Amino acid sequence: DGGITQSPKYLFRKEGQNVTLSCEQNLNHDAMYWYRQDPGQGLRLIYYSQIVNDFQKGDIAEGYSVSREKKESFPLTVTSAQKNPTAFYLCASRRTAPYGYTFGSGTRLTVV
Amino acid sequence: SQQGEEDPQALSIQEGENATMNCSYKTSINNLQWYRQNSGRGLVHLILIRSNEREKHSGRLRVTLDTSKKSSSLLITASRAADTASYFCATDSGTYKYIFGTGTRLKVLA
Repeated sequence: DGGITQSPKYLFRKEGQNVTLSCEQNLNHDAMYWYRQDPGQGLRLIYYSQIVNDFQKGDIAEGYSVSREKKESFPLTVTSAQKNPTAFYLCASRRTAPYGYTFGSGTRLTVV
Repeated sequence: SQQGEEDPQALSIQEGENATMNCSYKTSINNLQWYRQNSGRGLVHLILIRSNEREKHSGRLRVTLDTSKKSSSLLITASRAADTASYFCATDSGTYKYIFGTGTRLKVLA
């Protein structure tokens, strides 16, 4: 079955470390997105990519980095520059508009 | 930036009752979508309504859109315990990214 796979489901990071969250899709979607969700709140856009080798900053890109070397993959790196990284991270993809997003099941990142 | 604001923030109803939640937004849109999120999970796309549509149905879901008031409503009829979740609206203003509201937490009591 087609879908989006995020891994790991839970991730613990020590302060000062970089961590990378994986997002893989086999839906043949061109566009991919990373959102951050804090408890009881909506989704805020971190980065998005419409095609391979191209990506744009969202509303809260500081302290994060991404790459889009393959259509299927859009990994997110949370760097040590991100001061408050504890959150639930959601990856999504979409085919050419106007269609809805398909979301992964999320990665919960906790700084310890 | 938050485009949509859902109302109410939380809603508790009995099984079998209808649930209505509203979404207001600020700028013109191409379409508006509703998503459901079960606790600790990803979002699931429910329905998309285009800016030239006023009403759309999908199973027990009914969505309306009033572009003059920049608002939308989601009605879930004959609610079930399994409908317990958070519901989000998202707007597409043609910028390749959807902007999500803050969500309505729905609790359906058996």
